Amino acid sequence: DVKVTQSSRYLVKRTGEKVFLECVQDMDHENMFWYRQDPGLGLRLIYFSYDVKMKEKGDIPEGYSVSREKKERFSLILESASTNQTSMYLCASTLRGAEAFFGQGTRLTVV
Amino acid sequence: AQRVTQPEKLLSVFKGAPVELKCNYSYSGSPELFWYVQYSRQRLQLLLRHISRESIKGFTADLNKGETSFHLKKPFAQEEDSAMYYCALYTNTGNQFYFGTGTSLTVIP
Repeated sequence: DVKVTQSSRYLVKRTGEKVFLECVQDMDHENMFWYRQDPGLGLRLIYFSYDVKMKEKGDIPEGYSVSREKKERFSLILESASTNQTSMYLCASTLRGAEAFFGQGTRLTVV
Repeated sequence: AQRVTQPEKLLSVFKGAPVELKCNYSYSGSPELFWYVQYSRQRLQLLLRHISRESIKGFTADLNKGETSFHLKKPFAQEEDSAMYYCALYTNTGNQFYFGTGTSLTVIP
């Protein structure tokens, strides 16, 4: 009964690489979000999208970009990975104001 | 801007004791508030939301607009309550979900 799926559970990338994190939801939700989860810092919003091809910056967008070409898919892109982007990345989707459903998370390590 | 504040990073209580996880928010509009929980090795999931005003797994939370708080309470903690708890604010003007820093609850047998 999985509703939000992130393409990878674990990733290891080298500094400077371009990294793609994919998220797919099957609930026809308009809103999709990308967060990073770090101990002591909670969930910090990177980007969100409220419609196809629409995107808005969250609190920490630097070093990231996103793509939403289809309603069900929201991609997070690290243009040039750096070690300080080592983190757990969470994708979520929601109808406006309703419960947010989360993916299982992608633990990214940049070496 | 710190929109959601959870002052306790760690909280330990004994089984059967009452538990309260604090959450304060900052938002000028009409807030929609949630508590999310993450059990070990599981994905983040909704615990409860203030609109529904229901009790889930014995937990309740009341929105206090005067104190801008949404504290999570349970009268008798159970071992299975051990988890990470996040308070979240949805802003209907900006269509965004903001989360606090989380409180790690440990219930001691």
